[in-house]
Amino acid sequence: NAGVMQNPRHLVRRRGQEARLRCSPMKGHSHVYWYRQLPEEGLKFMVYLQKENIIDESGMPKERFSAEFPKEGPSILRIQQVVRGDSAAYFCASSPSEGAYEKLFFGSGTQLSVL
Amino acid sequence: AQTVTQSQPEMSVQEAETVTLSCTYDTSESDYYLFWYKQPPSRQMILVIRQEAYKQQNATENRFSVNFQKAAKSFSLKISDSQLGDAAMYFCAYKGGTSGSRLTFGEGTQLTVNP
Repeated sequence: NAGVMQNPRHLVRRRGQEARLRCSPMKGHSHVYWYRQLPEEGLKFMVYLQKENIIDESGMPKERFSAEFPKEGPSILRIQQVVRGDSAAYFCASSPSEGAYEKLFFGSGTQLSVL
Repeated sequence: AQTVTQSQPEMSVQEAETVTLSCTYDTSESDYYLFWYKQPPSRQMILVIRQEAYKQQNATENRFSVNFQKAAKSFSLKISDSQLGDAAMYFCAYKGGTSGSRLTFGEGTQLTVNP
């Protein structure tokens, strides 16, 4: 049973370009969370999605950032017109249900570097 | 809003010795869950141990145990018989008791294990 798969592992973009980060949850998991980790900091919640629905996007910047989790295929975190401050590690986590005690399984993250 | 504080940016321990990592949190909720995650250089977030707030008994997982002091809002991690493979960044995390609630992470403690 493969774990949470994120790709690419490293992504380099120039300022103004778009970044698309992909996350395939564990098999049977329909709940996906995205977190961002800035250098020397802990992970910060961005968005929580279920299949075809955004449940909580309170941690996501209002502009340039969007996320989706379609019925088929991976979850996508999209950052438009990237700036240097977007450089960070972006982690995806999945769980099989929404229970509060549900264990989250994390991917290895995508390191985004903006030149 | 919930906050999680780890006051020790760095800790070190001799191999085979015991080390305790500190974590405090602030919440007005009565039902919640606490976690310790390990992040080795591979960047993979690995769940070490978790505790339900309504349980008085401290959780234990092999060489890892917690000291949960609910009144003091303290949740420390004790690692016994430290091994070289324990070297990593350790994050304390809080999760509210409502379904789908996000994890709130502390800033992390970098643990070094000396041979």
